[in-house]
Amino acid sequence: GAVVSQHPSWVICKSGTSVKIECRSLDFQATTMFWYRQFPKQSLMLMATSNEGSKATYEQGVEKDKFLINHASLTLSTLTVTSAHPEDSSFYICSARDGSSGEKLFFGSGTQLSVL
Amino acid sequence: ELKVEQNPLFLSMQEGKNYTIYCNYSTTSDRLYWYRQDPGKSLESLFVLLSNGAVKQEGRLMASLDTKARLSTLHITAAVHDLSATYFCAVDFGNEKLTFGTGTRLTIIP
Repeated sequence: GAVVSQHPSWVICKSGTSVKIECRSLDFQATTMFWYRQFPKQSLMLMATSNEGSKATYEQGVEKDKFLINHASLTLSTLTVTSAHPEDSSFYICSARDGSSGEKLFFGSGTQLSVL
Repeated sequence: ELKVEQNPLFLSMQEGKNYTIYCNYSTTSDRLYWYRQDPGKSLESLFVLLSNGAVKQEGRLMASLDTKARLSTLHITAAVHDLSATYFCAVDFGNEKLTFGTGTRLTIIP
């Protein structure tokens, strides 16, 4: 079945540094990927839609300059948290749809970000 | 406003019992998904419901969709400890973006 690989699984960084998270579709091409954020014991909130070859579409309230998204190929999207602060600590999850697998949306394994 | 609400938020039940989780959504959709999440893990796809009256079953879990009532249910039959997890429903309101419910944290007590 379709697999979405996300790296790293967890990262601890100092305040003010930038962190890059990768999301890869391993055996299918994904023109669109989605990035979600989940705070402890809460639901998933969509941050942005990543479009291959064009700018990402951000949800209301999400700072595009802080959360940089690049979708340079049909199998890779990256989320960079710039100048991270403790309030950015969260669980970040990407997802992608494989058109050949029907309507299922496949999720990456998630990245736990802790900013000290 | 696009909203998805789940009830209950927390559920503690004994092994062997049956229970239902409810998912209500605010406006028309015929695409609804159920996911399971274990602590510290990502989401595992359980069911995809694509039409009114759709019913799907996998093991002790059964999901249904009533698009007229804007309601989906996830029914648990004869619960076992392994089913302890957080369950999310999510709705595609036509823009291919999923709006997630609040989640139901299920604890099965031996």
